[in-house]
Amino acid sequence: EADIYQTPRYLVIGTGKKITLECSQTMGHDKMYWYQQDPGMELHLIHYSYGVNSTEKGDLSSESTVSRIRTEHFPLTLESARPSHTSQYLCASSSGGADTGELFFGEGSRLTVL
Amino acid sequence: GQNIDQPTEMTATEGAIVQINCTYQTSGFNGLFWYQQHAGEAPTFLSYNVLDGLEEKGRFSSFLSRSKGYSYLLLKELQMKDSASYLCSFMDSNYQLIWGAGTKLIIKP
Repeated sequence: EADIYQTPRYLVIGTGKKITLECSQTMGHDKMYWYQQDPGMELHLIHYSYGVNSTEKGDLSSESTVSRIRTEHFPLTLESARPSHTSQYLCASSSGGADTGELFFGEGSRLTVL
Repeated sequence: GQNIDQPTEMTATEGAIVQINCTYQTSGFNGLFWYQQHAGEAPTFLSYNVLDGLEEKGRFSSFLSRSKGYSYLLLKELQMKDSASYLCSFMDSNYQLIWGAGTKLIIKP
């Protein structure tokens, strides 16, 4: 059973608000990821981290930021939410290495921006 | 460039066998993954292939041909709970996962 948690599970906010989606894992994994997924569509990588103080941008990173101050914690912040940000956000972690690339996903944060 | 393609939707009958195909193009390859995703839930890992051939795990098997850029997921003895989306993804030369849009599998009694 995966030990990766996301909060909030559901969030409805107004345009222009700043929001932070929380993600924590208790598996000691070095690698963590944020993905955005719309219904019936592929996962798009937003940000990723290979360890503490390491963050990298993915395909959809321009309107969000992340931090990795602790191994277990990888929050995602939208400085000014827009309706186009309405989507499901999935956090994942892995222990690293090409032969153990299995990702463990959190249950997701479904965001609606009005 | 890189791309990955799988059918949008498939229908099968409970108790039957179904094969979900996935084709990909990439200059660098470090393995192919299959994940299962039930509606409204997060993906869960099913299989990983890095060498050519068939990997069997219970009712599920996954096949890879690197020369053809082709993989399939074979599900046997289908159960209603197998109704889900099946996501194909490959790991590129930078060890980043490139994801397909998923195949929605509908199981009918």
